[in-house]
Amino acid sequence: EVQVVESGGGLVQPGGSLRLSCAASGFTFTEYWMTWVRQAPGKGLEWVANIKEDGSEKYYVDSVKGRFTISRDNAKNSLYLQMNSLRAEDTAMYYCARGIGGYYDNWGQGTLVTVSS
Amino acid sequence: IVMTQTPLSSPVTLGQPASISCRSSQSLEHSDGNTYLSWLQQRPGQPPRLLIYKISNRFSGVPDRFSGSGAGTDFTLKISRVEAEDVGVYYCMQVTHLPHTFGQGTKLEIK
Repeated sequence: EVQVVESGGGLVQPGGSLRLSCAASGFTFTEYWMTWVRQAPGKGLEWVANIKEDGSEKYYVDSVKGRFTISRDNAKNSLYLQMNSLRAEDTAMYYCARGIGGYYDNWGQGTLVTVSS
Repeated sequence: IVMTQTPLSSPVTLGQPASISCRSSQSLEHSDGNTYLSWLQQRPGQPPRLLIYKISNRFSGVPDRFSGSGAGTDFTLKISRVEAEDVGVYYCMQVTHLPHTFGQGTKLEIK
């Protein structure tokens, strides 16, 4: 069964850092782009970043460039999102999803990040 | 690319059809000839779920009452006969251009 499971969310102060993880199973991780999408409380979906199968290409939404870093460890079937200089507006549920052929077909349950003092 | 959905809310009677429109600010046709427009469903308290990809392809396990159509900048999701389990928010999403973007979401509710 294809599964992606996020972890690492929590409460952090403004200016702080957090590292999210996404553990993948049930598919050949190295054959898929992976992405992070977030959803602020009561709001819509916002694409955050994605990374190519071998990690050679990474793309970000402007609002997180220079603060967030997406990475992957193909030996561990894992995706990461390092988030630095966190702001209140980064408060959201963060979803991991796998991508292929121009669409994202399997999504995790999400991990909640709250940025507050 | 700005994705604009209409309506933002859609009260529908069980068994009746529903339709959601999505318009993009630029053509979503990629240089490879594909149009990377997807539709996702988010039920209350759940993560998003892929329904339709590349305009009109139903994802595995999606009931055939869901269908997608369109081209260029105008796209439509149709539900032929709404069932109670269809309640939720529906999003269009484009991955032709970076950054990938979503519509604002359309809330489907039962009258």
